[in-house]
Amino acid sequence: GEDVEQSLFLSVREGDSSVINCTYTDSSSTYLYWYKQEPGAGLQLLTYIFSNMDMKQDQRLTVLLNKKDKHLSLRIADTQTGDSAIYFCAESPNYGGATNKLIFGTGTLLAVQP
Amino acid sequence: DTEVTQTPKHLVMGMTNKKSLKCEQHMGHRAMYWYKQKAKKPPELMFVYSYEKLSINESVPSRFSPECPNSSLLNLHLHALQPEDSALYLCASSQETARGYTFGSGTRLTVV
Repeated sequence: GEDVEQSLFLSVREGDSSVINCTYTDSSSTYLYWYKQEPGAGLQLLTYIFSNMDMKQDQRLTVLLNKKDKHLSLRIADTQTGDSAIYFCAESPNYGGATNKLIFGTGTLLAVQP
Repeated sequence: DTEVTQTPKHLVMGMTNKKSLKCEQHMGHRAMYWYKQKAKKPPELMFVYSYEKLSINESVPSRFSPECPNSSLLNLHLHALQPEDSALYLCASSQETARGYTFGSGTRLTVV
């Protein structure tokens, strides 16, 4: 199947760390992604990780990948009210062609309380 | 230019109307995509164009008709839509190595 699962909602206080989890299904996925969507807006690519890595850090963002368990997480350090949004993980199964299909997770709504 | 531009931003159309959504990118990306997103749901893939040729059609009803006139432009022609087709329509583009898509800000479509 192509179900990518995420918890629906996460609430944190400003300044705390947020951890958003994702379970994907296709072990052939070469890249795994995190996107952010603010209300009424399109999707913004936050970061991605190559499948042969287990960690990637980019400023306040840390991505952890457990390939054995097909588990991906996004940690946001020092969470700010501007981080409030829906966060989607996405996988890109390798179908062997030049075109890649992104399959999105169910999305996690992050609410940051001041 | 690192953006994907979609027009219009909002569209209200009747069930008998014909309208078109437009998408443009000048990043040299050779793959372009249409996604449909209902409220509080993840985006769902509709069509993929690679090198201006349709490569994936996710069993989308024929009332949605994509067109790729050149490597920078992607259109979605709409005809005889239903109210349940109301959604946010997102365009995206990517390089072949798929290091992430770049999404436009979307067209909010309401069918009345």
